This record gives sequence, structure tokens and C-alpha cells, in this order.
Amino acid sequence: EAGVAQSPRYKIIEKRQSVAFWCNPISGHATLYWYQQILGQGPKLLIQFQNNGVVDDSQLPKDRFSAERLKGVDSTLKIQPAKLEDSAVYLCASSLGGVNTEAFFGQGTRLTVV
Amino acid sequence: AQTVTQSQPEMSVQEAETVTLSCTYDTSESDYYLFWYKQPPSRQMILVIRQEAYKQQNATENRFSVNFQKAAKSFSLKISDSQLGDAAMYFCAYRRSGTNAGKSTFGDGTTLTVKP
Repeated sequence: EAGVAQSPRYKIIEKRQSVAFWCNPISGHATLYWYQQILGQGPKLLIQFQNNGVVDDSQLPKDRFSAERLKGVDSTLKIQPAKLEDSAVYLCASSLGGVNTEAFFGQGTRLTVV
Repeated sequence: AQTVTQSQPEMSVQEAETVTLSCTYDTSESDYYLFWYKQPPSRQMILVIRQEAYKQQNATENRFSVNFQKAAKSFSLKISDSQLGDAAMYFCAYRRSGTNAGKSTFGDGTTLTVKP
């Protein structure tokens, strides 16, 4: 079974530029999550999709971050414009959905904003 | 709000020996799940072990076992016969029962070094 795929693996951009990350979840997984993991901290949820609808985006800085999941499969997370404090690993995860189900994580994208 | 605290930023162990990673949490809920995740340099978070709060028996997965003390709100991970491949960042996480994975609260991690 293929796992959660993310690209790119690394990205370096200058502040005020824009960047996009892509995630392809495990086939059949209805729920998709984007997490932000700042160096030295645990992951923090940014946004959660159920199929192509947003379930929870309460922690997403909506003035600069946006995400979509067209057709309920792949998802993209965008930052525009980027700030220095956005430097982090962005992890995508997916699950079958429903309560008490486990999430499977991708390898993340390490973003450095200079 | 629930909090998860890992008081050991770094730990080291000699290959083949045993190491214990500590985790404490704060919650007013009675029914919840606790997890240990491993994050190697590849950055992929891998579930190591899971404990349901209503179960008194400590969870075990091969060389990995937990010591779950519900009254003390403590959840430590013991790794026996440590191997070089165990070197990674380990995260403790909490989630209230009846919620999905997006509601997990993670600690700040413990970096485990395994010495040959």
C-alpha cells in the first residue's frame, strides 16, 4: 500500500515570496490533515479536510495561508506572502475518517524562509 | 485545554540496553488515548504504540512497552534491547476518545541517541 506522498521535500524561499506544497493521501482515505512542525516542537494542526470539505481550520492563519482539496483526493497548501516565522516542516497526514481512527503521515516538506 | 509535557529534550542509550522516555499530560477527561510516535530523520511520523485510558493493562509492541499511570497522568515509553535504528525523535500525544486524529495534542519531543 502506497503511503502519503508529499512534495517538494525541501524548499527555500525569501520572505514575502509565495510557496505551495502538495499532498497525495493514501487511496481511500477520506480525511486529510496539514500540520505545521516548528523546530523543537510537536506538530500542530493547521487544517483538516473531510473529502473536499473543510472540517477544522481554526488554527490556520488565513491572512496568508490557504489550502484546498479539489475532488477530495490531492491537496495543496499555500503560503502567500511567507514570513520568517513560517520556517517549519509541513506534514500531511490522512486517515480513513471517523473517530478513533489513526492518521498516517507523509515525510513532510521542510520550508526555510530567509 | 489538554497539555502534554516531555521533560527530557534529549536521551541517550547504549545499543542493546534499555531506555525509558517520560511523558506527563493534563486532562479532565476520563476516556482518552495516548500515543508514542517516532520521527526519524526522514521526518515521517510513525505510530509506535497506543494506549486506551480505560484499559489497565499496559500496551506492548515487541521491544516497546509503556508504563501508564492514570492517576498520576504519566505515560512513559520503555525501549528494550535498543537498536541503532531506534535513534529518532519521540513524541508523546494525547487525544480525547471520540475524536479524530486532528484533535491530537503532541509534546515537544525527546531526541533519542543510540550509541554503538
